[in-house]
Amino acid sequence: KNQVEQSPQSLIILEGKNCTLQCNYTVSPFSNLRWYKQDTGRGPVSLTIMTFSENTKSNGRYTATLDADTKQSSLHITASQLSDSASYICVVSGEGNTPLVFGKGTRLSVIA
Amino acid sequence: DAGVIQSPRHEVTEMGQEVTLRCKPISGHNSLFWYRQTMMRGLELLIYFNNNVPIDDSGMPEDRFSAKMPNASFSTLKIQPSEPRDSAVYFCASRSRGLAKNIQYFGAGTRLSVL
Repeated sequence: KNQVEQSPQSLIILEGKNCTLQCNYTVSPFSNLRWYKQDTGRGPVSLTIMTFSENTKSNGRYTATLDADTKQSSLHITASQLSDSASYICVVSGEGNTPLVFGKGTRLSVIA
Repeated sequence: DAGVIQSPRHEVTEMGQEVTLRCKPISGHNSLFWYRQTMMRGLELLIYFNNNVPIDDSGMPEDRFSAKMPNASFSTLKIQPSEPRDSAVYFCASRSRGLAKNIQYFGAGTRLSVL
């Protein structure tokens, strides 16, 4: 069964600190993986999208990594800001027209 | 572009009533998706359309749910009759087959509460 598991479920960190969110998936055959950020009361917004051949991709203070062999991805946030408080959702796409598989997200709270 | 526009933003209704959620995708996008999000289950795909044609509705929970896309700029998700367990946030997303392939752009969602 195609699944995406994220950890931790929730995380609280101090402003300015770094953090890493994890995503493990079993989707096969794999096409791409993307990380979405969802602010409270809003729809998800794409942060990064990575294909099989990409190991690392950055978007400002966000850096995503992908290990297609172990089927793991991580999202690293550097020098966190209060505005980083949101849910971060890992989404995996299989090949062809297979539906996207969504993780349940990690709820990040950045406090002053 | 204003992005994906959903209406209403909030809907409160009584059990048994009909509920219609509306979505206007981003102009030029040819795929449209309806999702439901709850704390317990996260985001779940209900149905998606390509070029106004329903492709996969296997995520639609039951016959009480129906979706239409009469043209490229409008879609509806209808629940009739509604039940308390339908309470959730419903998202619409659209996607282009262009350079931003596979990136879905989400609306702000409709928060549905069925009492």
